[in-house]
Amino acid sequence: AQSVTQLDSHVSVSEGTPVLLRCNYSSSYSPSLFWYVQHPNKGLQLLLKYTSAATLVKGINGFEAEFKKSETSFHLTKPSAHMSDAAEYFCVVTGGSQGNLIFGKGTKLSVKP
Amino acid sequence: ETGVTQSPTHLIKTRGQQVTLRCSSQSGHNTVSWYQQALGQGPQFIFQYYREEENGRGNFPPRFSGLQFPNYSSELNVNALELDDSALYLCASSLGGFVNTGELFFGEGSRLTVL
Repeated sequence: AQSVTQLDSHVSVSEGTPVLLRCNYSSSYSPSLFWYVQHPNKGLQLLLKYTSAATLVKGINGFEAEFKKSETSFHLTKPSAHMSDAAEYFCVVTGGSQGNLIFGKGTKLSVKP
Repeated sequence: ETGVTQSPTHLIKTRGQQVTLRCSSQSGHNTVSWYQQALGQGPQFIFQYYREEENGRGNFPPRFSGLQFPNYSSELNVNALELDDSALYLCASSLGGFVNTGELFFGEGSRLTVL
């Protein structure tokens, strides 16, 4: 069965410092992995996706993620945090026969001025 | 290009009642899926509709049902509401049916409170 585990429920950084949000996955086959962001009172928005092409994936707003099969990880990074990055971030894997998305529990990112 | 819109945005019901939530999919999208997001949790897949037929369902009881209309808009119906049904209900639209590329476009959700 497919699953994702987000290793931190809450991450706090200062503006201008790097961001690292950690995600491990479990999959019985080559997975498709995604990061979605949810700003307060807003819908979920796709940040980036990995679908077995390049292992380093670039997304919107300066975010990127690296797929590491040996570590079963798909961590999200950004070199320099901005106040507008404060939001909830979800690591996501596509499911099995249903083809649906399976979400992690989320990591809340806080950015201090 | 219009986005995904959901109504109502907030509603309060009591146990045992029934609720209908509505969703208009993004222009040109023929697939709608519904997710339940409990407080502090990630969204969980309820079901998906493709060209008016349910073609995927998560681990939710039959009192959760849905419809998709010819214009690809959709409804989620929940009967015999329970306290644990209190959550944010998210609708997402996409192109394509059974095979999900993960590129879903989400609405802002309908927040249901069951008292």
